[in-house]
Amino acid sequence: GAGVSQTPSNKVTEKGKYVELRCDPISGHTALYWYRQSLGQGPEFLIYFQGTGAADDSGLPNDRFFAVRPEGSVSTLKIQRTERGDSAVYLCASSSTGSTEAFFGQGTRLTVV
Amino acid sequence: GIQVEQSPPDLILQEGANSTLRCNFSDSVNNLQWFHQNPWGQLINLFYIPSGTKQNGRLSATTVATERYSLLYISSSQTTDSGVYFCAVEHPAGTALIFGKGTTLSVSS
Repeated sequence: GAGVSQTPSNKVTEKGKYVELRCDPISGHTALYWYRQSLGQGPEFLIYFQGTGAADDSGLPNDRFFAVRPEGSVSTLKIQRTERGDSAVYLCASSSTGSTEAFFGQGTRLTVV
Repeated sequence: GIQVEQSPPDLILQEGANSTLRCNFSDSVNNLQWFHQNPWGQLINLFYIPSGTKQNGRLSATTVATERYSLLYISSSQTTDSGVYFCAVEHPAGTALIFGKGTTLSVSS
């Protein structure tokens, strides 16, 4: 696609539920990143994929968070047993092979009530 | 890890004024990007500038890598320039961007 696409734009879920957030990167981009942005803060790194594999997942806050990219394109961020503290904007970015310049999607605003 | 500090944290301008935003970082970088986050939360790429100077319309940026800082210049500001400006860097041994806390710019007519 022309840009990074994230769905849904907004997600409201109840505490304890499971959610999936989807990211469709720019076509041909091999690197994909997930970030989380809390109110008044800059985005914080969660996980980085190079192709299908998670090359760096050091930013995932705990084992309730998991992400996959099975075919090296679309990625899904999965959050189990959601907590109110998980409420944030989840941003996805992608970059092409040989470049470190990242392009961001519009984000998914997750609200856990 | 690498530290990124942006200043000022907040900036209020009248339309037509010029401004300079600063980004200091604590280590060498192989990537530095400036973003504008619009009211809808979208991060818009302004500059990819690990070193040197670039200009795009009323905006320009300079990164002095040896002194570990970057400057974003906004000239003849417009109300549509309002929003949060983020600087983000990547260490050569890193795998992702590290963001500063941002500068919130408010331009009034």
